[in-house]
Amino acid sequence: GAVVSQHPSRVICKSGTSVKIECRSLDFQATTMFWYRQFPKKSLMLMATSNEGSKATYEQGVEKDKFLINHASLTLSTLTVTSAHPEDSSFYICSARDPNRDGYTFGSGTRLTVV
Amino acid sequence: GENVEQHPSTLSVQEGDSAVIKCTYSDSASNYFPWYKQELGKGPQLIIDIRSNVGEKKDQRIAVTLNKTAKHFSLHITETQPEDSAVYFCAAKRDSSYKLIFGSGTRLLVRP
Repeated sequence: GAVVSQHPSRVICKSGTSVKIECRSLDFQATTMFWYRQFPKKSLMLMATSNEGSKATYEQGVEKDKFLINHASLTLSTLTVTSAHPEDSSFYICSARDPNRDGYTFGSGTRLTVV
Repeated sequence: GENVEQHPSTLSVQEGDSAVIKCTYSDSASNYFPWYKQELGKGPQLIIDIRSNVGEKKDQRIAVTLNKTAKHFSLHITETQPEDSAVYFCAAKRDSSYKLIFGSGTRLLVRP
């Protein structure tokens, strides 16, 4: 149980374009999902907390207009990187909390490369 | 703010030996401590967790110990195998918050 599916696993886009990453909880409903960014050989950096039916809560220093988060249903949250630039290239990971369990389940991550 | 320190940053052991990774947390209200294993190019996977009302938890070759007084918790892997090679992250959380506070990670290499 507690499976989180994240797509795509890899994406390459041109500078100036937007990219959408999807995060789905497959066997549970998640009122709260989380988006992380991970630089090479570094720990996970929380970007924002996604709340179903309301606005996301962004961490300090994360541009909300740059990283658009939508959590329209109890099983789907999306992260859209708008007007992407090479410095946005990174590994993005989502996670969700199953309210019936203690733990947080992570998606498999998305490697974004902006050229 | 809350902080979790993790040591060592890298650890190399011979296959069959034990590996120990240690974390220290700053928020005394933390009461949930998960450990994650992250393989290259993948998301973290929960391998074991412990709550503050328990001092030790074991699952086959993996165990976690918690010292609430010292605010330390450790991951113990016995009889290590090459497939244990990965990056391991500890984390801490308090009930009143949704946030997991992660350690900086430990790169474990198990030499065949």
